[in-house]
Amino acid sequence: EDQVTQSPEALRLQEGESSSLNCSYTVSGLRGLFWYRQDPGKGPEFLFTLYSAGEEKEKERLKATLTKKESFLHITAPKPEDSATYLCALRSRKLIWGLGTSLAVNP
Amino acid sequence: DVKVTQSSRYLVKRTGEKVFLECVQDMDHENMFWYRQDPGLGLRLIYFSYDVKMKEKGDIPEGYSVSREKKERFSLILESASTNQTSMYLCASSNAGEYVETQYFGPGTRLLVL
Repeated sequence: EDQVTQSPEALRLQEGESSSLNCSYTVSGLRGLFWYRQDPGKGPEFLFTLYSAGEEKEKERLKATLTKKESFLHITAPKPEDSATYLCALRSRKLIWGLGTSLAVNP
Repeated sequence: DVKVTQSSRYLVKRTGEKVFLECVQDMDHENMFWYRQDPGLGLRLIYFSYDVKMKEKGDIPEGYSVSREKKERFSLILESASTNQTSMYLCASSNAGEYVETQYFGPGTRLLVL
């Protein structure tokens, strides 16, 4: 059965303290892995799509990477405005969403 | 910028009422989706539509129906609301050929069924 697991469930960082969020998966036939950001009370906002192992995408302080078993969202020198829930989703025969990592960045 | 709007941000209904949630997108997207989001369960797909008057069941269609009479509008209907349908409802849209690559979400409707 296709599965996606995000860890940690919650993460608290100090401003400037770099870290990584993990999205591990088991799937038969990966057709894409996606990262979204969701602010409280709002809908998810698309960040990245990754298709194959070794692929990397960057946007400002965020960098997403992909291996055959997991994806990482690296956050470099985070700021308080990076506080949000980060969702991972993967597409095989259908789209499967992770439960997200809630990130809080303290000033 | 793509904009997806939902008719209500907050809604309170009584058990047994018929509830309509409306979603409108302004980017001429072919695909539209309805999800519900619950703590500990994440996003779950209720229904999706890839064209006007076309609909497909998602993972949890029971107790819901949908309508897509115009390309830009996708409605979710709760025929007889129940307390277990209390949730955050999210609408999304995407271009054809981008089934799940870039979904644009609305702000959500938080529904409380009493």
